[in-house]
Amino acid sequence: DSGVTQTPKHLITATGQRVTLRCSPRSGDLSVYWYQQSLDQGLQFLIQYYNGEERAKGNILERFSAQQFPDLHSELNLSSLELGDSALYFCASSVCPSCEQYFGPGTRLTVT
Amino acid sequence: KNEVEQSPQNLTAQEGEFITINCSYSVGISALHWLQQHPGGGIVSLFMLSSGKKKHGRLIATINIQEKHSSLHITASHPRDSAVYICAVFYSGGGADGLTFGKGTHLIIQP
Repeated sequence: DSGVTQTPKHLITATGQRVTLRCSPRSGDLSVYWYQQSLDQGLQFLIQYYNGEERAKGNILERFSAQQFPDLHSELNLSSLELGDSALYFCASSVCPSCEQYFGPGTRLTVT
Repeated sequence: KNEVEQSPQNLTAQEGEFITINCSYSVGISALHWLQQHPGGGIVSLFMLSSGKKKHGRLIATINIQEKHSSLHITASHPRDSAVYICAVFYSGGGADGLTFGKGTHLIIQP
């Protein structure tokens, strides 16, 4: 158990809908990262937050947004969902930017 | 383009064999992760290293910064080592602090 929690574990929704994925980092970790793992693209970095502020952006679509709250948990919002958004979404946390990351169990999103 | 290449893509070996998985990257990095992903999907961080060598149990990771290459070794392999092993790097000076991942090595250890 990495100490990073993600909810929900599984999510099935329809095209065009909006969902929110939640992540709680390990105690004491200030950095939160979001990653997407799809069959065709593999693992890709989406976005990073550090102590409530957005720090870095990767391949995140404009339909996706995220935030980190004062208690350091983070949410990833996915809107206008398309079939291609079906993937595993991982959250990871670390004590500092570029420190060792610890991964949550992931949320499996299926868009039908 | 910053790329992370792993080899082999697939590896099947017998229990007890010594396993080596290789990772190469294209530009300077600040650190490299080795990750393990089991069939259930969860990702476990095995090592993070920026120089030299690290050992944890039967796992050994090495990195050669000059040659832009890292290896993960498994000694006395066991069926429970069957998983996908993923190399991931922090590129230095790139502006993004997320990891860039290799495609993974699918390892099967047969009893």
